[in-house]
Amino acid sequence: KAGVTQTPRYLIKTRGQQVTLSCSPISGHRSVSWYQQTPGQGLQFLFEYFSETQRNKGNFPGRFSGRQFSNSRSEMNVSTLELGDSALYLCASSYSSLAGAEEQFFGPGTRLTVL
Amino acid sequence: GQNIDQPTEMTATEGAIVQINCTYQTSGFNGLFWYQQHAGEAPTFLSYNVLDGLEEKGRFSSFLSRSKGYSYLLLKELQMKDSASYLCAGDGSARQLTFGSGTQLTVLP
Repeated sequence: KAGVTQTPRYLIKTRGQQVTLSCSPISGHRSVSWYQQTPGQGLQFLFEYFSETQRNKGNFPGRFSGRQFSNSRSEMNVSTLELGDSALYLCASSYSSLAGAEEQFFGPGTRLTVL
Repeated sequence: GQNIDQPTEMTATEGAIVQINCTYQTSGFNGLFWYQQHAGEAPTFLSYNVLDGLEEKGRFSSFLSRSKGYSYLLLKELQMKDSASYLCAGDGSARQLTFGSGTQLTVLP
C-alpha cells in the first residue's frame, strides 16, 4: 500500500508570491490534515478535511487555505508569501475523522523556502 | 490553553534505558500520541494512550496519567538508530493533534 505522497518536495518562492502544495492520502483514507513545522514553533495544525469539507482549522491567517477533492487528494494554498512562511509543510491522512483515536500517517513534507 | 511540554534535548548511551516525559493541561484531549521523527523525515507513529496505565510495544512503552496530565515514553535497549526527535501530541477534536516542541534524543556509543 503506497504511503502519503506530497508534491513538490522542495519549493523556493519570493515574498508576495503564492504557492500551492499537493497531498495524496493513502488509498481509502478520507481525512487529510495539514501541519506546518518550523524550528521555533514545532508542528502546528493548519486544517483538516474530510469528504471535501473543512472540519477544523488552526490559528493561521486567511492567507492559508485548502481544499479537498472527491478522490480525497488535498491541496493547500498560501497567498502573499512572507519570509515567516518558510517551513516544512506536512500532510497526514487517516481513515476517518470520527471522534476517537486514529493514527495519522504523515507524508514526507514539502520544504518551502521564501526569499 | 492546551500547552504540551516536553524536554528539548536528552542524551543517553547505547544499550541504556531513557524516559521522555510529557506534561499537558488535563482538559481538551482524548488521549496522547507519541511520534518519532528522524531528521529530514516524516513523523512516524509509536503509540497512543487513551486509558491510564502502561502500554508496552517491544522496546518502546508509553504511560499515561489523565488525572495528572502526564505521559512518558520509555525506550529500552537503546540503539544508535533511536537518535531522533520524539513528539508528544494531544488528540483533540476532529483529528487535530496538538504537538509538543519535541525532544531531541541523542544516543551515544
